[in-house]
Amino acid sequence: AQKVTQAQTEISVVEKEDVTLDCVYETRDTTYYLFWYKQPPSGELVFLIRRNSFDEQNEISGRYSWNFQKSTSSFNFTITASQVVDSAVYFCALSEETSGSRLTFGEGTQLTVNP
Amino acid sequence: SQTIHQWPATLVQPVGSPLSLECTVEGTSNPNLYWYRQAAGRGLQLLFYSVGIGQISSEVPQNLSASRPQDRQFILSSKKLLLSDSGFYLCAWSQGPPYEQYFGPGTRLTVT
Repeated sequence: AQKVTQAQTEISVVEKEDVTLDCVYETRDTTYYLFWYKQPPSGELVFLIRRNSFDEQNEISGRYSWNFQKSTSSFNFTITASQVVDSAVYFCALSEETSGSRLTFGEGTQLTVNP
Repeated sequence: SQTIHQWPATLVQPVGSPLSLECTVEGTSNPNLYWYRQAAGRGLQLLFYSVGIGQISSEVPQNLSASRPQDRQFILSSKKLLLSDSGFYLCAWSQGPPYEQYFGPGTRLTVT
């Protein structure tokens, strides 16, 4: 069965520090998809990125970057030069080809960026 | 573009009262629809999902039910609320694969 582990429950950094959020997944499928979501204090989950199992290229979007490594079953998320507006709960999620449309979410990491 | 609406935004209900939360999606057809609950400071719990009108899958046995009377409408209901039903309820939609889900603004329910 699929599983997503976000071992970091809470992270606190000072503004402008770089921070990496860890995500480790388990799946038996060869085709699967990985996601990151951001949940700011307002509560709505915001989709950030999707990665397909057959595409291990890392991705960079502004201050955000994602490192997908199948060898270690990890999909880590790095925020460079963090800002107070990055404070939120971040969720990693997995969907498998065989499980259809359901996502398995990790428990989330609460990131607090202090000024 | 697609938009997902949820209402009400906040709700305070006494124990034993009924519940009806509504979610609608615009700008797409035949979406997959989901109801999640999030207790304070906790992760997301999938309650129900639907791949089509009248097709509801329940993930957790409880006093809640869901219905999908129209293609882009998803309703979460209860006949008698419990204190443990308090939480943040999120509706989401997807199409796919790859099935990334897009979430509504949520309903914060407090049962007193």
